[in-house]
Amino acid sequence: GAGVSQSPSNKVTEKGKDVELRCDPISGHTALYWYRQRLGQGLEFLIYFQGNSAPDKSGLPSDRFSAERTGESVSTLTIQRTQQEDSAVYLCASSLTGGNTIYFGEGSWLTVV
Amino acid sequence: GQQVMQIPQYQHVQEGEDFTTYCNSSTTLSNIQWYKQRPGGHPVFLIQLVKSGEVKKQKRLTFQFGEAKKNSSLHITATQTTDVGTYFCARYGNKLVFGAGTILRVKS
Repeated sequence: GAGVSQSPSNKVTEKGKDVELRCDPISGHTALYWYRQRLGQGLEFLIYFQGNSAPDKSGLPSDRFSAERTGESVSTLTIQRTQQEDSAVYLCASSLTGGNTIYFGEGSWLTVV
Repeated sequence: GQQVMQIPQYQHVQEGEDFTTYCNSSTTLSNIQWYKQRPGGHPVFLIQLVKSGEVKKQKRLTFQFGEAKKNSSLHITATQTTDVGTYFCARYGNKLVFGAGTILRVKS
């Protein structure tokens, strides 16, 4: 597609349930990033993929968070046993290679009730 | 570490006034990028600076990279209501790390 596509765009889930967020990067982009942005806050780095490998997972907040990427394309971010503090926008971004301009998707708005 | 500090956190200006946001690092930066996020939107790339002392302009926006490559600034001349949003600087080490952002509000 023309841009980074994320789904779902909005998700309301009950505390304790698992959620899966999907990101389709721009075709040909080898680098893929996940960020979290709480309401009115900055961008919190979660994880970075180069190809299918994640050289930097340092931002994942806890072991409830995991991410994978396959085919050097689609990535999924999974949050297990969601908590209310997980409520945020989860932004995916991709770039041609690491260090280049990154292009963000519209984000997945997650609300845990 | 890899943090970049941005000031101010928030600025409210009268339309037509100028606005500046600053980005500072304790370590030398290989490059600095600037992004704008409109309310309810996602960050959009504005520019990348790489060279020491570099100055780039985009219409009313002027971006500077310090001589020591430890700081950068974004200056908007004669703000308009369309400039409203949050401006982020970001540094690339082995990953892209964002500053906390400066929220700009413009009174018309």
